[in-house]
Amino acid sequence: SQTIHQWPATLVQPVGSPLSLECTVEGTSNPNLYWYRQAAGRGLQLLFYSVGIGQISSEVPQNLSASRPQDRQFILSSKKLLLSDSGFYLCAWGGTVTGELFFGEGSRLTVL
Amino acid sequence: GDSVTQMEGPVTLSEEAFLTINCTYTATGYPSLFWYVQYPGEGLQLLLKATKADDKGSNKGFEATYRKETTSFHLEKGSVQVSDSAVYFCALSVSRGYSTLTFGKGTMLLVSP
Repeated sequence: SQTIHQWPATLVQPVGSPLSLECTVEGTSNPNLYWYRQAAGRGLQLLFYSVGIGQISSEVPQNLSASRPQDRQFILSSKKLLLSDSGFYLCAWGGTVTGELFFGEGSRLTVL
Repeated sequence: GDSVTQMEGPVTLSEEAFLTINCTYTATGYPSLFWYVQYPGEGLQLLLKATKADDKGSNKGFEATYRKETTSFHLEKGSVQVSDSAVYFCALSVSRGYSTLTFGKGTMLLVSP
């Protein structure tokens, strides 16, 4: 069966520091991969998606970036965090024709 | 563009009460519809889905029917439990060679004993 994992689960970082969140999927090949952010009171916002290695599409311009160095690995990064980057980050994979996504456990980022 | 509107919460119920959480959508094309549940501090779990008009999705006592004429996908459960306390998200997906989910803002459900 397919599983998805992301880490770290919790992160507290100072403003201006770098960020790296990692996500891996097991049990499937060539999945579509996604990063969503859930900020307090703002619902879920799609940040990036990827349909293959090295293929990244950005939905929202910001100081975050994403990379997909391997088929089942998706990384969210920032060179310099802002206070507004605080939130709950969710990685997801999809690949079925009916369109559902399957989410990881989430990573809570607090920028101080 | 695509959008999902769901009732604002929190919805507060006593155990064994009937639950309805309203969800309506706007989409180009023919979306698939979903309900996700998020327990505190966790990721989202797919609760149920429906892929075409008049389909009924069901899981763990929850049900929702895809109503194309009213563009709705209301979530119902006949008898809620304390363990159902969570945030519920309605979402749609329109496939364009890849799938991205458009979510509603979520509805918090609080069930008291």
